Amino acid sequence: GIQVEQSPPDLILQEGANSTLRCNFSDSVNNLQWFHQNPWGQLINLFYIPSGTKQNGRLSATTVATERYSLLYISSSQTTDSGVYFCAVRTGGYQKVTFGTGTKLQVIP
Amino acid sequence: KAGVTQTPRYLIKTRGQQVTLSCSPISGHRSVSWYQQTPGQGLQFLFEYFSETQRNKGNFPGRFSGRQFSNSRSEMNVSTLELGDSALYLCASGGQADTGELFFGEGSRLTVL
Repeated sequence: GIQVEQSPPDLILQEGANSTLRCNFSDSVNNLQWFHQNPWGQLINLFYIPSGTKQNGRLSATTVATERYSLLYISSSQTTDSGVYFCAVRTGGYQKVTFGTGTKLQVIP
Repeated sequence: KAGVTQTPRYLIKTRGQQVTLSCSPISGHRSVSWYQQTPGQGLQFLFEYFSETQRNKGNFPGRFSGRQFSNSRSEMNVSTLELGDSALYLCASGGQADTGELFFGEGSRLTVL
């Protein structure tokens, strides 16, 4: 099956710093999402981005499907950005969803 | 518009018991999928339902089962619980256009003693 790896696995930032999280996948996908898991466990939608670039406030994401990776940019980080970030992909049709390994982000004041 | 609702939020069971978890999707959504999250295995796909039919299934033993009702609400059942079944179980609702975009509930945290 498809392999999805995220890097870095852990990241500590000073408040106000910028960061880039990466998601690499081993096969073609037709569906990619980024999520932020809050401390209570809920997965919050950040982006649905099978290809191209999207922006939402301080966050933006880019997926280059032909090169099999996606990037999540966080600018001017805040302590509330702390948590675990996951990417999730689905290959063609109605194939099962595969989650990445996650990036644990800690933003310190 | 209400989000995805999962019940119960927390529960404690003992080995050998069974458990049923419920998930109500966003109104109008017909797809529901289930995931297990453990520290050791990460987030793993359990199964997906669309219009009461199981559309896909992950690599879990037969003790894990699910179903979807005509109102799109879904339940999953785990029989003969094992310690390793302790996990956060997450349910996701699929969008109206069924593009594959997922919207998650808050999860049901199961502890097996």
